[in-house]
Amino acid sequence: GNSVTQMEGPVTLSEEAFLTINCTYTATGYPSLFWYVQYPGEGLQLLLKATKADDKGSNKGFEATYRKETTSFHLEKGSVQVSDSAVYFCALSLSSGFQKLVFGTGTRLLVSP
Amino acid sequence: DTAVSQTPKYLVTQMGNDKSIKCEQNLGHDTMYWYKQDSKKFLKIMFSYNNKELIINETVPNRFSPKSPDKAHLNLHINSLELGDSAVYFCASSQYRRVLAGELEQFFGPGTRLTVL
Repeated sequence: GNSVTQMEGPVTLSEEAFLTINCTYTATGYPSLFWYVQYPGEGLQLLLKATKADDKGSNKGFEATYRKETTSFHLEKGSVQVSDSAVYFCALSLSSGFQKLVFGTGTRLLVSP
Repeated sequence: DTAVSQTPKYLVTQMGNDKSIKCEQNLGHDTMYWYKQDSKKFLKIMFSYNNKELIINETVPNRFSPKSPDKAHLNLHINSLELGDSAVYFCASSQYRRVLAGELEQFFGPGTRLTVL
C-alpha cells in the first residue's frame, strides 16, 4: 500500500541550528510529495511540494528534494528560528484529480532561544 | 478573511449523543475533505466530496455521515458518539482543475476538537 514514514519526535534544537526531518515513502506509481506544517492551535498549511524525481521544493528557508532512488523527501533548514516550532507532516498524493493525501505521523519541532 | 472555517472549534459531549460539525470555504473550490487527527497527531482522510458528490470514503463507520448542501459547505454528522471518536477533525478544500494543473495545495480549516465523555 501507500504510506509515509517520518522520524519520531520531538526534535529539540537551539535557535540557528541545522534541521533535518527524515521522510521516506512507499507508493505504487509516481506520487507527488509534500511537507505541511501545523502551528499550535491551527490547521495545516502547505510548506513545500515536489511533483517529480529530483525536484526540489523550497519555501521560507526550508528545502526538500524528491529522491526516487531512496524514496525519500527529507526536510532541511539551515538555521531554525523559535517561530519554526510546530508539527511537520510529510505527505504523498497519487491522485491527479481528486487528490487524496496520505500523511506521515508528524514530527514535532521545538526550537529554544 | 477566513478561507476555510469550521464550527464549533470545541465540542464536548456524552457518549451516545448525535452531533454535527460544519465546514465552509470561501475560496470557490469544488472539492472538500474531512480528516481525523487522533491524539498522537496521526492524520487520516475520511471523506471527500466534489461538486456535492462523494468521491472518497475511507472505510469510516456509517455512524459518520457527511452532507454537502452546496460546493462551499461540507458538514459532518456523527451518530451515537463513542469514546474513540474523540479527536480533532479538520476540513480542507481544493480545486479539481487546479490539481490537474499541478497546483496541489489543499487548504485546511482550524480544526474542531471533539471530546466524548
